[in-house]
Amino acid sequence: EDKVVQSPLSLVVHEGDTVTLNCSYEVTNFRSLLWYKQEKKAPTFLFMLTSSGIEKKSGRLSSILDKKELFSILNITATQTGDSAVYLCAVISGGYNKLIFGAGTRLAVHP
Amino acid sequence: GAGVSQSPSNKVTEKGKDVELRCDPISGHTALYWYRQSLGQGLEFLIYFQGNSAPDKSGLPSDRFSAERTGGSVSTLTIQRTQQEDSAVYLCASSLSAAPGDTQYFGPGTRLTVL
Repeated sequence: EDKVVQSPLSLVVHEGDTVTLNCSYEVTNFRSLLWYKQEKKAPTFLFMLTSSGIEKKSGRLSSILDKKELFSILNITATQTGDSAVYLCAVISGGYNKLIFGAGTRLAVHP
Repeated sequence: GAGVSQSPSNKVTEKGKDVELRCDPISGHTALYWYRQSLGQGLEFLIYFQGNSAPDKSGLPSDRFSAERTGGSVSTLTIQRTQQEDSAVYLCASSLSAAPGDTQYFGPGTRLTVL
């Protein structure tokens, strides 16, 4: 059965800290891995990773995929209170665009 | 342009009643997905539509759940004889096509509470 596991489940940091969120997966036919940020209801797209070792970067956020070890990390540097959210990792397996989600990491950034 | 919209934003119903949830995808997107997010859980795939192809219903939890997509655009998710365990946020997403590289854009969801 396809599975996506995120860790930690929750994290509390102070503004300015750097955080690393983890996502590991076991799927039968990996196509790509995606990160979403969910603040209230609608998850908003952050990154899609398909190739190993190529870092994707957007401002203070960056992510990288390791297809050999079957995991990805999402880094956030110089965290701000606006980064507080649930970060969701999802994997696409097989020929369909059906996302298999992890349970998410709830990040709280305190002033 | 407009994003994915869903209605209602909140729905409270009594156990045993039927409910209908609506999703309007981004214009031009041929693929539409329904997911469910129970309290403290990740998103769980329910069903997806791609163009005029038969939908992939593999994620529907029981035969009380059904969905249709009329005219290749708006979709309705129907839950019959609701149960308390159906309480969740129901999220709809659309993408340009069903190709694995096409980003899914999510709507704001419908929070369903079954009393």
